Amino acid sequence: GEDVEQSLFLSVREGDSSVINCTYTDSSSTYLYWYKQEPGAGLQLLTYIFSNMDMKQDQRLTVLLNKKDKHLSLRIADTQTGDSAIYFCAESMGAAGNKLTFGGGTRVLVKP
Amino acid sequence: EAGVAQSPRYKIIEKRQSVAFWCNPISGHATLYWYQQILGQGPKLLIQFQNNGVVDDSQLPKDRFSAERLKGVDSTLKIQPAKLEDSAVYLCASSPRGVSYEQYFGPGTRLTVT
Repeated sequence: GEDVEQSLFLSVREGDSSVINCTYTDSSSTYLYWYKQEPGAGLQLLTYIFSNMDMKQDQRLTVLLNKKDKHLSLRIADTQTGDSAIYFCAESMGAAGNKLTFGGGTRVLVKP
Repeated sequence: EAGVAQSPRYKIIEKRQSVAFWCNPISGHATLYWYQQILGQGPKLLIQFQNNGVVDDSQLPKDRFSAERLKGVDSTLKIQPAKLEDSAVYLCASSPRGVSYEQYFGPGTRLTVT
């Protein structure tokens, strides 16, 4: 079955790096995603990674995928107060249908 | 490019009443999704349309929820009758044909059932 787990909360100082972790159970997942949700807003796609990749970097964001351990992480370099939000990890099969299965979200609080 | 539009943004109803939500996807996007996000949880897919056909509605409580996407563009999601546990944010998302791994979300409709 599908299950995506995340830690609930992360507190980080402005300027430090943040690392948000996620584990998933479905070994046939094709795509893995990170979404950001600010209060009262919808979900914003931050980045995604194909399952045949180990790492993807996009400006301040680095995604690491350990397929053997079914572990995904998002590192945010030089964390800013505007990065305070809830971050969701999600997986999909990538084929027709492409249902996203989300984790419960990690609330990130950036302290000045 | 305009994003996914949803209305209303907020709705408060009493249990056993009916409610409808509207979604207008990004122009040209063939696939449309409705998700339910209960407070403190991640979104859960309710139904997915490809053009005006249903691809997946396995998690839609069909005894009270219905959805349609006429002409393959706008969509409405209806709850009749509402229960207290239906209180949630209802998110609409869309994705382009052939690029289904990128889903773009609307701002959501926050439903409170009292």
